[in-house]
Amino acid sequence: GAGVSQSPSNKVTEKGKDVELRCDPISGHTALYWYRQSLGQGLEFLIYFQGNSAPDKSGLPSDRFSAERTGGSVSTLTIQRTQQEDSAVYLCASSPRPQKEQYFGPGTRLTVT
Amino acid sequence: GQNIDQPTEMTATEGAIVQINCTYQTSGFNGLFWYQQHAGEAPTFLSYNVLDGLEEKGRFSSFLSRSKGYSYLLLKELQMKDSASYLCAVNLLTGGGNKLTFGTGTQLKVEL
Repeated sequence: GAGVSQSPSNKVTEKGKDVELRCDPISGHTALYWYRQSLGQGLEFLIYFQGNSAPDKSGLPSDRFSAERTGGSVSTLTIQRTQQEDSAVYLCASSPRPQKEQYFGPGTRLTVT
Repeated sequence: GQNIDQPTEMTATEGAIVQINCTYQTSGFNGLFWYQQHAGEAPTFLSYNVLDGLEEKGRFSSFLSRSKGYSYLLLKELQMKDSASYLCAVNLLTGGGNKLTFGTGTQLKVEL
């Protein structure tokens, strides 16, 4: 079956511009997560959605970052006024429910010039 | 705060056995995952431990001791394709639900 998909796969943007990253989770998965991974670093948790509950935004690094999940399925991560330190691979993962293994998408490589 | 430690790099020989250790200091522990990540690819799930003991799955086994804050991933009959980064991740029970905190990963190189 279809896995987690993300778009775009690569995004190059100028400093100060806004970007929107999209994640399509596996159908039926209620939990959705966003992470980012800088070169040679581990995964940094950003935000977690579970069903219709309020998201856990505790990992968002600044108020320039926001995310939403429409209809309990597709999610978009928005970064406003991008900075060079935002350059990283942004990974989305979904899970059939919390405490179960997470299935990762291929990621979006964001480069801020 | 949360702290997860794993060795940065390890090297092993094809056909051998390697053990990758992970120690953690966290609050709200709710299980531990191991993921494999090949360069340029997304992490893929290997194992999950929530109770003490050993979980075996083919060539891979994972062990957990909650009292010691310790886990290891054991890879047997190493193959060249096992060269990858191995990520230890602790599942934390938070007010908002569950979230994973990842270690920085152990880069395993398998040599002939």
